[in-house]
Amino acid sequence: DAGVTQSPTHLIKTRGQQVTLRCSPKSGHDTVSWYQQALGQGPQFIFQYYEEEERQRGNFPDRFSGHQFPNYSSELNVNALLLGDSALYLCASSFWGLQTEAFFGQGTRLTVV
Amino acid sequence: AQSVTQLDSHVSVSEGTPVLLRCNYSSSYSPSLFWYVQHPNKGLQLLLKYTSAATLVKGINGFEAEFKKSETSFHLTKPSAHMSDAAEYFCVVSDLRDTGRRALTFGSGTRLQVQP
Repeated sequence: DAGVTQSPTHLIKTRGQQVTLRCSPKSGHDTVSWYQQALGQGPQFIFQYYEEEERQRGNFPDRFSGHQFPNYSSELNVNALLLGDSALYLCASSFWGLQTEAFFGQGTRLTVV
Repeated sequence: AQSVTQLDSHVSVSEGTPVLLRCNYSSSYSPSLFWYVQHPNKGLQLLLKYTSAATLVKGINGFEAEFKKSETSFHLTKPSAHMSDAAEYFCVVSDLRDTGRRALTFGSGTRLQVQP
């Protein structure tokens, strides 16, 4: 049983560019959440998707957007990249509405230069 | 609103001695509480969770945590540290609400060093 998979594992982008990160949830999970983990800090919640809709959003600007597909996989898009967007981006999957744990992928390390 | 405070950014112990990682939380609702571990260049792994059942929660690899509502604490313990326990540990709170929405709020992390 594959867990949560994210791609790519590493990415280098230039300021002002756009980036798309991808996530496939654990088999059977229907909810995907995205987190940003800056160096030396705890992950911060970006947003959550269920039934292809954004259900909850953290304190992130509109430059951060997402999408969920019918197969429950998800994308995170970041426009107009800033140096401060450099971080580890983590995807978590879970069941909607059940108080079960979230399973995390290994993350995508984004470096903006 | 919810928040988590991990009281120590770094903890260093000797192999074979007890581990104590401290966590205090704040939540407007009945909380669900978790401890996750992150090894270098790896994702987050769940150690244990509290979701309003027994207040003493047992997790993987010999870790335990006790939910103390009066103290708003959820400290992580292990009787005897192993070298492989060296990692970053995160205390996490989530609100258990009727809507079923769940956003996890992470603490800033505690780096555990285990000396031989």
